[in-house]
Amino acid sequence: GNSVTQMEGPVTLSEEAFLTINCTYTATGYPSLFWYVQYPGEGLQLLLKATKADDKGSNKGFEATYRKETTSFHLEKGSVQVSDSAVYFCALSSGSARQLTFGSGTQLTVLP
Amino acid sequence: GAGVSQSPRYKVAKRGQDVALRCDPISGHVSLFWYQQALGQGPEFLTYFQNEAQLDKSGLPSDRFFAERPEGSVSTLKIQRTQQEDSAVYLCASSLVTVNSYEQYFGPGTRLTVT
Repeated sequence: GNSVTQMEGPVTLSEEAFLTINCTYTATGYPSLFWYVQYPGEGLQLLLKATKADDKGSNKGFEATYRKETTSFHLEKGSVQVSDSAVYFCALSSGSARQLTFGSGTQLTVLP
Repeated sequence: GAGVSQSPRYKVAKRGQDVALRCDPISGHVSLFWYQQALGQGPEFLTYFQNEAQLDKSGLPSDRFFAERPEGSVSTLKIQRTQQEDSAVYLCASSLVTVNSYEQYFGPGTRLTVT
């Protein structure tokens, strides 16, 4: 079956630090990969996605590259801001129904 | 409205009560998903509709859970004889399924607490 393993948190960084949140996956077929973000008190929002190997998804300064050889989709940002404090979820979808399989989430706190 | 809405936002139920959770998807979205998110965990898939047809209910944890979408729009997740382990946030997501786009848009969730 499908599964997603992501870096355990919580992660605490100072503003302008470099961020990496690791994500690896197991899936049948050729999944699409996603990063979702959940800000305090808000619903899940799609942050970025990649639908095939070597694709790079990017949004709001965040990037992740679909690496089929290492089955990974690590999230990176060069300079985090206090406003990036949130819970980040790595997810995949495959098959005809496209339901999402999520990792357990990583809590990020950015300090001023 | 522009997004997926869910009601109620919070629900407290005594063990053994039945509850009904409502989801209003984005207008025109064909696909609708329900997920269960336990505290500190990622969402887990419960069930999937395409229009009014429930095509996958493999994630429903027991026969106490039932979902419907009779007119292919609003959906209701019903939990009968609630148990403490049912306490979680229930998320609804909808998607406009095309060849190139199947992004799921999530609602704010219903936080269910069973006492």
